[in-house]
Amino acid sequence: GENVEQHPSTLSVQEGDSAVIKCTYSDSASNYFPWYKQELGKGPQLIIDIRSNVGEKKDQRIAVTLNKTAKHFSLHITETQPEDSAVYFCAAKGSGGSNYKLTFGKGTLLTVNP
Amino acid sequence: KAGVTQTPRYLIKTRGQQVTLSCSPISGHRSVSWYQQTPGQGLQFLFEYFSETQRNKGNFPGRFSGRQFSNSRSEMNVSTLELGDSALYLCASSHREETQYFGPGTRLLVL
Repeated sequence: GENVEQHPSTLSVQEGDSAVIKCTYSDSASNYFPWYKQELGKGPQLIIDIRSNVGEKKDQRIAVTLNKTAKHFSLHITETQPEDSAVYFCAAKGSGGSNYKLTFGKGTLLTVNP
Repeated sequence: KAGVTQTPRYLIKTRGQQVTLSCSPISGHRSVSWYQQTPGQGLQFLFEYFSETQRNKGNFPGRFSGRQFSNSRSEMNVSTLELGDSALYLCASSHREETQYFGPGTRLLVL
């Protein structure tokens, strides 16, 4: 089955700096890659996603890049703010049938220091 | 639209008991997936229902079961609870095969 590796497990940055979180996946048939942000006591919240026919997607301070050949994708947060502090999860999903499920990375605890 | 709702939010049970958790998806969403989240194992897929049929199942023992009703609401049941079942149980809904939106979860503590 699919395996998703996420690095780093913890990341501390100064306010205003950029943060980058990287994930690799094992199943070349995976075609959908969402990123979730989870704050304490809450469920994961989708922040951005990308499909396999796109190499990059941007939404204000957040961007995701996908390299299908290398089977890795990354989350980039620019101009970080204290409210960006949370646990971030990457995930990969197959194209349907028995592959229709999200496989998650272990998460990255991002701390933005004021 | 209202988001995914899960009840109860918190639950304390003892070993050997059983528990039923409920999930109401976003209006119009017909797919409901369940995940278990623990500090050690992270987010793990339990099962997914679409139009009252289980479409996928994760690698969990048969003590974990679920069902979906005609209004797309879903329940999951865990029988003969073990200490290791203590976790945050998350439900996510999606429209057809698109983005999954998560609820706030039910935190289960097994004593």
